[in-house]
Amino acid sequence: EVQLVESGGGLVQPGGSLRLSCAASGFTFSSYWMSWVRQAPGKGLEWVANIKQDGSEKYYVDSVKGRFTISRDNAKNSLYLQMNSLRAEDTAVYYCARLSPRCPVGCFDYWGQGTLVTVSS
Amino acid sequence: NFMLTQPHSVSESPGKTVTISCTRSSGSIASNYVQWYQQRPGSAPTTVIYEDNQRPSGVPDRFSGSIDSSSNSASLTISGLKTEDEADYYCQSYDSTVVFGGGTKLTVL
Repeated sequence: EVQLVESGGGLVQPGGSLRLSCAASGFTFSSYWMSWVRQAPGKGLEWVANIKQDGSEKYYVDSVKGRFTISRDNAKNSLYLQMNSLRAEDTAVYYCARLSPRCPVGCFDYWGQGTLVTVSS
Repeated sequence: NFMLTQPHSVSESPGKTVTISCTRSSGSIASNYVQWYQQRPGSAPTTVIYEDNQRPSGVPDRFSGSIDSSSNSASLTISGLKTEDEADYYCQSYDSTVVFGGGTKLTVL
């Protein structure tokens, strides 16, 4: 059974940093593109970043470029999101999601349960 | 980049059929696969349709997806509505970036 379990969310002050983790199990993690998607309170889904199987390609939404870094450790079956210079508008539930092998750039097939990041003073 | 436009809300009675539309603002709807995600209140999204019209295992065949090039839109149809289908539904596609629709709140009353 595919499982994606996020952790690392919490309350952080504006300008601060946070590192999210996603532990993957039930599939060969190193064979899949992975992604982070967020959802601000009461709002819709917003794609944040994608990373290729070996970490050689990374893509970001414009609003986080230069502030967020997606990475992975295939030996640990883990995905990460390093978030720096956080802003109030980054407040959201952050979901880890797996990308479908037939559509690795933009088709999500499995989602984690999410972790809440709150940016506030 | 393009946008995906969905109705804000739809409602229908149990046992009936409802269709949720998703219109692509520019570029062909057929150029890239469309996915549909269900999000029940307080829960994470789950995939109900992928690659335009494919259902993941475990998703009932009451859920179906289609695309219409003439209207440049995709549709999610749910037949035999159940109260458990009440949720937010999001369409999603991509080109150089990933794009989600704004979501449609389905009320089954």
